[in-house]
Amino acid sequence: EADIYQTPRYLVIGTGKKITLECSQTMGHDKMYWYQQDPGMELHLIHYSYGVNSTEKGDLSSESTVSRIRTEHFPLTLESARPSHTSQYLCASSEPPVLAGAPSSTDTQYFGPGTRLTVL
Amino acid sequence: RKEVEQDPGPFNVPEGATVAFNCTYSNSASQSFFWYRQDCRKEPKLLMSVYSSGNEDGRFTAQLNRASQYISLLIRDSKLSDSATYLCVVKFSDSWGKLQFGAGTQVVVTP
Repeated sequence: EADIYQTPRYLVIGTGKKITLECSQTMGHDKMYWYQQDPGMELHLIHYSYGVNSTEKGDLSSESTVSRIRTEHFPLTLESARPSHTSQYLCASSEPPVLAGAPSSTDTQYFGPGTRLTVL
Repeated sequence: RKEVEQDPGPFNVPEGATVAFNCTYSNSASQSFFWYRQDCRKEPKLLMSVYSSGNEDGRFTAQLNRASQYISLLIRDSKLSDSATYLCVVKFSDSWGKLQFGAGTQVVVTP
């Protein structure tokens, strides 16, 4: 089992509130990711990080922001939640390849249990 | 056109039967391929990596066809516990660690 944790698991909140979704991993992975997934739909990458103090926006535009001050911690923040933010948010981490072009197994991403966010 | 496409299903499979389904990808420079499994309202978990020569893990067999740009997953002797959504995942060679997920193929194994 992967050692990656997310809190809260479920969050119901009113419009306009500021929220932070927590993600922590104890595997020492440099790479971490945030995905958004609506029911029955594919995962969309919204943020990623390849190490401390590095963050990048993903393929899907998101109003959320992230920070990476410590290797094990990658929180996601919404300054002002809206109903359109209602979704499942999944955090993941992966090992870096030992060598460039290393076998695909080193790209394995381990997912946390997710946070199901509902904004009323 | 989506970069990774899958038949959403559902594939209704009697227990003990074999089911197979494909996934196509658009980027010919794709480097790594995986099948993930996602149970309802749960996180995705790696089922198996897909190697160029094809590989097997118990009842699961994965194949890669680079010429036609598709990968396949075959499940033999289906169990009720195999009911899940199977996500096709591709890593493009120009993307640093980023994976492209398909929307998934739903498999329902019935008694």
